[in-house]
Amino acid sequence: NAGVMQNPRHLVRRRGQEARLRCSPMKGHSHVYWYRQLPEEGLKFMVYLQKENIIDESGMPKERFSAEFPKEGPSILRIQQVVRGDSAAYFCASSPPRVPELAGGPETQYFGPGTRLLVL
Amino acid sequence: GIQVEQSPPDLILQEGANSTLRCNFSDSVNNLQWFHQNPWGQLINLFYIPSGTKQNGRLSATTVATERYSLLYISSSQTTDSGVYFCAVERGSGTYKYIFGTGTRLKVLA
Repeated sequence: NAGVMQNPRHLVRRRGQEARLRCSPMKGHSHVYWYRQLPEEGLKFMVYLQKENIIDESGMPKERFSAEFPKEGPSILRIQQVVRGDSAAYFCASSPPRVPELAGGPETQYFGPGTRLLVL
Repeated sequence: GIQVEQSPPDLILQEGANSTLRCNFSDSVNNLQWFHQNPWGQLINLFYIPSGTKQNGRLSATTVATERYSLLYISSSQTTDSGVYFCAVERGSGTYKYIFGTGTRLKVLA
């Protein structure tokens, strides 16, 4: 029963390159969340996706960042033209489908090991 | 938006000591989780505890939702307990995103 998987675990990019981070949710989970952790800080929400839909991207920077969760395959967080300030740990979390009668009710998020992005 | 504050920010303990970590939040929440981030950066779920009390081995947690705080108790601490402890809350109302606290950095000395 594999947990949330992220790859790569470490990624080094030069300024101006693209970074592509992948997240495979736990089996049976259809909700994916991306968070960013800057050094010495807590995690900050970026985006919440369900299959083929972006539900909440209120934490995503307006430019250079995009996320998708296709019908098949992992969720992808893409950062174009990376800058040094993008260096951080990027965590993905997943949760199971929410039961309609419990809409808005409790749900645990399970986190992956993170991708550490270093921009030179 | 909701504010989540944790105290103390830093804590140093001798192995075997007990400790209490606190999480205050500024508004009502639907969900609350405690996490341990180990020195390798991995986030480990400790408790899902929107209200009430739970125990798991040497760890226990209590959330008093009406008073907007949660406590994490660590008893007989071990060096492997070192790391950063985060609480995270979810407002509900369909937002589903967690707001993380500032963390408590714990170091347990042998």
